[in-house]
Amino acid sequence: LAKTTQPISMDSYEGQEVNITCSHNNIATNDYITWYQQFPSQGPRFIIQGYKTKVTNEVASLFIPADRKSSTLSLPRVSLSDTAVYYCLVGDIGYNFNKFYFGSGTKLNVKP
Amino acid sequence: SAVISQKPSRDICQRGTSLTIQCQVDSQVTMMFWYRQQPGQSLTLIATANQGSEATYESGFVIDKFPISRPNLTFSTLTVSNMSPEDSSIYLCSVLRGDEQYFGPGTRLTVT
Repeated sequence: LAKTTQPISMDSYEGQEVNITCSHNNIATNDYITWYQQFPSQGPRFIIQGYKTKVTNEVASLFIPADRKSSTLSLPRVSLSDTAVYYCLVGDIGYNFNKFYFGSGTKLNVKP
Repeated sequence: SAVISQKPSRDICQRGTSLTIQCQVDSQVTMMFWYRQQPGQSLTLIATANQGSEATYESGFVIDKFPISRPNLTFSTLTVSNMSPEDSSIYLCSVLRGDEQYFGPGTRLTVT
């Protein structure tokens, strides 16, 4: 199982772009990269998922280099409500899906 | 998406007693998961519960302590048995639908 490494915490200010990088050196060929957001007293919420290059949705972008040993979650123009813990996970979501293990996560603190 | 509810949302229990947590999903799913999240920590996978088969437990978790039922494709229970203060945590159920994993709101358990 690919282990992920993320910064423990990050600070930002409202309106800034925030980039959170995750290392997953042992990612397997069939593994996808998935990011979750968790607010206090709530379960994690799916943000974005990708396999390679760049994926963008209405809330974030995910950048994955060619070697796939890392990924970067990009949050454009953060607001106070983006203060949360962000988790990076890797795993096979296809036929061989088994389970996801959570790493330590990155606690993002957005300041006014 | 998937709508997941858990009961109870929180409880305070005495040492030595047991608590059963219920997880209800709004539609049928094959794979359900139970996680534990201790205060200020990441999520730890307890077990995978597939309908029609015995639950598969992760290292460090045993059936006698955390028995799980999965009577149908929309429902599961997790029992925390013979509780001690170390069992004080948030317990979350999760389901896989398509490529995404969805989480319930969690059950906050305090053992005194």
